[in-house]
Amino acid sequence: DVKVTQSSRYLVKRTGEKVFLECVQDMDHENMFWYRQDPGLGLRLIYFSYDVKMKEKGDIPEGYSVSREKKERFSLILESASTNQTSMYLCASRTGDLNTEAFFGQGTRLTVV
Amino acid sequence: RKEVEQDPGPFNVPEGATVAFNCTYSNSASQSFFWYRQDCRKEPKLLMSVYSSGNEDGRFTAQLNRASQYISLLIRDSKLSDSATYLCVANTGGFKTIFGAGTRLFVKA
Repeated sequence: DVKVTQSSRYLVKRTGEKVFLECVQDMDHENMFWYRQDPGLGLRLIYFSYDVKMKEKGDIPEGYSVSREKKERFSLILESASTNQTSMYLCASRTGDLNTEAFFGQGTRLTVV
Repeated sequence: RKEVEQDPGPFNVPEGATVAFNCTYSNSASQSFFWYRQDCRKEPKLLMSVYSSGNEDGRFTAQLNRASQYISLLIRDSKLSDSATYLCVANTGGFKTIFGAGTRLFVKA
């Protein structure tokens, strides 16, 4: 079974802190994604990566950056956390074949106070 | 305009009812489509893939209409356990996987 693991289930951070959210997948998937999910807005794509060291902006990249130094790991970085970044963050991965589905981690509920 | 749009609902139906969800997508270059199910406070999980020829899995039927750029999901004989949010998903060109905002379904006894 594909496993996508996010480093934390719940996280509370202070405004202005630098926050790292880590995601690891064990199926050698080329593509990895970070989404945030908010009530009424669904999943919105923040960043994605189609290869090591490659990254592309999604629909809402402002305030975020990412890092993919190894194929299995995709990190989301909040350079200076703000209260409007309080959300559920979901990492996903899939193969490079566009006809395949994405698999999700369990999510990280981030609260910025 | 959002790339993938769904009616947010909620749909409130009695057990045994048939319910249908539709979803539209704006990018005609989208390659493949899926329906995911998401339970409260859980991550989304694949329900089924969607093909132009239609795809049936037990009580669930998914259909793709490329000409009209919409995707449908039909649930027959609804069960209480079908209560969830259903997400429409498109894999577009450029490696992106785009989700609709989801449709909430409540099945009542």
